[in-house]
Order: sequence, then structure tokens, then C-alpha cells
Amino acid sequence: SQTIHQWPATLVQPVGSPLSLECTVEGTSNPNLYWYRQAAGRGLQLLFYSVGIGQISSEVPQNLSASRPQDRQFILSSKKLLLSDSGFYLCAWGGASGSVTDTQYFGPGTRLTVL
Amino acid sequence: LAKTTQPISMDSYEGQEVNITCSHNNIATNDYITWYQQFPSQGPRFIIQGYKTKVTNEVASLFIPADRKSSTLSLPRVSLSDTAVYYCLVGPMNTGFQKLVFGTGTRLLVSP
Repeated sequence: SQTIHQWPATLVQPVGSPLSLECTVEGTSNPNLYWYRQAAGRGLQLLFYSVGIGQISSEVPQNLSASRPQDRQFILSSKKLLLSDSGFYLCAWGGASGSVTDTQYFGPGTRLTVL
Repeated sequence: LAKTTQPISMDSYEGQEVNITCSHNNIATNDYITWYQQFPSQGPRFIIQGYKTKVTNEVASLFIPADRKSSTLSLPRVSLSDTAVYYCLVGPMNTGFQKLVFGTGTRLLVSP
């Protein structure tokens, strides 16, 4: 079966510090991968998506970047965090081989607080 | 993706049936309707998906009228653990890739 991992689970970082969040998927190959952010009491905002290694698309201009160095690894980064980067970051995968519908499966999330 | 409109919040009691309606007036011919459930501090979880009429699984039922401009998620005999945010999404399937647009969803509170 497929599983998705994210770490760390929680993170407190000072303004101006770098960020690296990692997401890995097991049990599937060539998944579509997604990074979302959810601010408190808000819906999910799609930040980045990737349909293959090295292929990254950004949805919104922002202080963050994403990379996909391996088929099942997706990394969210920042060189200098802003207060507005605080939120709940979710990684998801979709496009399961043989799947009729592109349901997305979410990881446990990382709660980031920038102080 | 077609825009959706849901109630911001709903209250219910244990054992009752809960119906959450979603409006999607500009749904396209090849669009499907999908519902996700999100518990606090967790990622959303797929609940049910349908194209027309009625779909039922072990968790919920989804009712879609003939014009498909709305849909209703039905949760039978809710329990306290059904307290969550429920998102309605509309979009095409079978594309191999999809950008989901999550609104603020419907916050369901189930009380004893």
C-alpha cells in the first residue's frame, strides 16, 4: 500500500532563517506531487506541483521554492522565512497508476511557526 | 475548476443524519464532484466521489440531481468523531494530473 511521510511534524523558526521540509511517498511510482499551505481557519492553498523529477510548477508568487530530486521525494524550501510563511504545510500525491480518478492523498503535515 | 459554494458551518447531534449541500452552478460536462474530510491538524482525506445520481460507500452517500448544479453529502447517524471540515471540489478526472481548489469548506460540529 502507498504511504506518504512528512517531516518534521512541527517547526518553530526565526524570521530570516532557512527552511527545508521533506515529503516522501512509498508504494507508488511517478506520482504527481503537491505542496499546500493552510493558514489558521482557512482553506488549502496550492503552492507547487510536480508531474515528474525536476519538473516544478508554482501556483503563487512567494518566498518559497520546491524541488523534486527523486521520483518520490518532494522538498519545500526557503532561504529566508517571513512571518507570513507560518502555517500548516501539507504534501499530497495523486495520479496513482491505474486509477480512474486522480484522488489526492495527503501527508500528516508540518506545522510551521515563524517568530 | 468550477467554483463551489458551501455553508460555512453546521451543527448536529450524535445519531442524526447530516446533509451538507454544495452549489456548483458552472460545472462542466466532464467534471466530477469530490468530497474530502479534514480533521484538525491533519491532511484532508478523500470521502466520496461521483458524477451523477447517487453514490454510496461505507462512509457516506452523495446525491447529485440531474442538472448537476449542486450535490449533497449525506452522513448517516453522525458521531462525535465526525466533527471535521468537509470540502466539496469539482473538476475533471482522467487527466493524470489535477489541481484541486479547496475553499474554506463546511465546519461540522457534532455534539453529544
